[in-house]
Amino acid sequence: GAVVSQHPSWVICKSGTSVKIECRSLDFQATTMFWYRQFPKQSLMLMATSNEGSKATYEQGVEKDKFLINHASLTLSTLTVTSAHPEDSSFYICSARLGLTGEQFFGPGTRLTVL
Amino acid sequence: AQSVAQPEDQVNVAEGNPLTVKCTYSVSGNPYLFWYVQYPNRGLQFLLKYITGDNLVKGSYGFEAEFNKSQTSFHLKKPSALVSDSALYFCAVRVRISGNTPLVFGKGTRLSVIA
Repeated sequence: GAVVSQHPSWVICKSGTSVKIECRSLDFQATTMFWYRQFPKQSLMLMATSNEGSKATYEQGVEKDKFLINHASLTLSTLTVTSAHPEDSSFYICSARLGLTGEQFFGPGTRLTVL
Repeated sequence: AQSVAQPEDQVNVAEGNPLTVKCTYSVSGNPYLFWYVQYPNRGLQFLLKYITGDNLVKGSYGFEAEFNKSQTSFHLKKPSALVSDSALYFCAVRVRISGNTPLVFGKGTRLSVIA
């Protein structure tokens, strides 16, 4: 099946710094990628929908200036958490959609801890 | 708006017994339904999907689910549970199979299979 990778798998940073998370579709081209956030023992909350070459569409309540999303190619999307604070600590999961069938494949997730 | 309900936070079952994880949905239009499984600190793994056709869908690891339009349900089942099935299970729905509509997830059900 299609593979989606995320890097890094975990990151610890100081408050006020920025962190970039990469999401790659390894064996297919993804015209659409999604970024989700998951709090402990909770469901996945959609943050934004990202289309290659265009601006991301953010869900209500998600700060676009804080969570910068770039989808520069059909195989790479990045999420940058700017000026991170402890409340941004979470598990971030990306998902890539296989263009022809519309199936959605998920990355392994990135655990962000902000001290 | 589309939504998914998983009424049980936790399901406990003895190894070898049948298991059911419940899911009901609400969409305006034809639903496309999915089940995913998540192991600790991991991303989501696809189990099965219903797009069209036979209401009984068979998926990975011996799991199956039955689409019931009149009850708007898509319960996940397995005839004989294994301890290794213990994980967090998510039901998800989309209105269309293509396009930018993202998956909307239920809150998840934690399955514990006891030896």
